Amino acid sequence: QKEVEQDPGPLSVPEGAIVSLNCTYSNSAFQYFMWYRQYSRKGPELLMYTYSSGNKEDGRFTAQVDKSSKYISLFIRDSQPSDSATYLCAMGINTGTASKLTFGTGTRLQVTL
Amino acid sequence: GAGVSQSPRYKVAKRGQDVALRCDPISGHVSLFWYQQALGQGPEFLTYFQNEAQLDKSGLPSDRFFAERPEGSVSTLKIQRTQQEDSAVYLCASSLGVGIQPQHFGDGTRLSIL
Repeated sequence: QKEVEQDPGPLSVPEGAIVSLNCTYSNSAFQYFMWYRQYSRKGPELLMYTYSSGNKEDGRFTAQVDKSSKYISLFIRDSQPSDSATYLCAMGINTGTASKLTFGTGTRLQVTL
Repeated sequence: GAGVSQSPRYKVAKRGQDVALRCDPISGHVSLFWYQQALGQGPEFLTYFQNEAQLDKSGLPSDRFFAERPEGSVSTLKIQRTQQEDSAVYLCASSLGVGIQPQHFGDGTRLSIL
């Protein structure tokens, strides 16, 4: 079993819909959580990062972390065709030096007109 | 530079050849990471540098993989005697300091081994 599980999709939604993307993890040592967006043939682009349980909002994006359930989510409001991409969750452990990230498989999102 | 720059963007090599992939991190970034991304998968950690020191190479899949960052800025990932299973996108990321820091990625080098 992988440390981080993410449904690969694809997930298809109409423009304007609310999108919910999720990851579960098994390693309780993970302390910080990130969401990246990756367009085809591009590198991952950081969207959100958080270190604590609860919600963090940035524009149309909300990241939610529930450490007790080992479950994280990314919500996208008013989805746009330009949001069509692969969304990767990533997590890390604070070792005092810069730490490697452990990624999910990525969920492919398609927002249709 | 404005972002992490990687070259070449695409590399095709015959099995058994050696390849070298270059990463130019964001100026002033202390930490540099290499990841490998197979088709349809998330990136997987290969190795980490803090300035010129390679502090973690636990993700390198075999001794055919070697990375260096001799002056604490540009890094090179070298793969010797390439195999077909080495075909993947190799991503470089950098972060400003140490500890918990967001990592910023380049667009990767897509390596195909024939």
